[in-house]
Amino acid sequence: GEDVEQSLFLSVREGDSSVINCTYTDSSSTYLYWYKQEPGAGLQLLTYIFSNMDMKQDQRLTVLLNKKDKHLSLRIADTQTGDSAIYFCAEASLNSGNTPLVFGKGTRLSVIA
Amino acid sequence: DTGVSQDPRHKITKRGQNVTFRCDPISEHNRLYWYRQTLGQGPEFLTYFQNEAQLEKSRLLSDRFSAERPKGSFSTLEIQRTEQGDSAMYLCASSLGGGVLTEAFFGQGTRLTVV
Repeated sequence: GEDVEQSLFLSVREGDSSVINCTYTDSSSTYLYWYKQEPGAGLQLLTYIFSNMDMKQDQRLTVLLNKKDKHLSLRIADTQTGDSAIYFCAEASLNSGNTPLVFGKGTRLSVIA
Repeated sequence: DTGVSQDPRHKITKRGQNVTFRCDPISEHNRLYWYRQTLGQGPEFLTYFQNEAQLEKSRLLSDRFSAERPKGSFSTLEIQRTEQGDSAMYLCASSLGGGVLTEAFFGQGTRLTVV
């Protein structure tokens, strides 16, 4: 079955880069997503990457995909205190039709001022 | 449009009682999803609708759970005979269309506590 794994916690100093890692098992995963959840808020889509890409950059965010190892990472440059949140990796597969997103357990990012 | 709204934001109920939650999606969105999120976990898919049709249900959705979207707009999720294990955040999301590229917008959730 589908499974998405993430490390649970990450702590970084303000101004440093954060790297959040994710592994997935479904080899038919077509799209991989990063969502952000702040306390008391819903999930916010940050970025996504198609499986035929290996990198995508969007302002301070860089997504790297190693399809061979089924490894996805999210790098946040110049991390700010406002980046403190839980970050979820999620995957979706076109082969499964419109199967809704499968989420990891989330990585709690703490930014120390 | 202010996005996906869910009501109530918090619900405390006694075990064995029935509860109903409401989700109002973004107005032009034809797809509506329900997810459940327990503490320390990511969201888990429960069910989704395209317009008023319920197209898929997760095995997590026991026969105590029922969801409706009668006019293809708002949706309700009812839990009958609640159990302590039902305590969770119930998230609703909506999207326009259903392809994997379609961004799903999430509401702030309804936090259910069963005592």
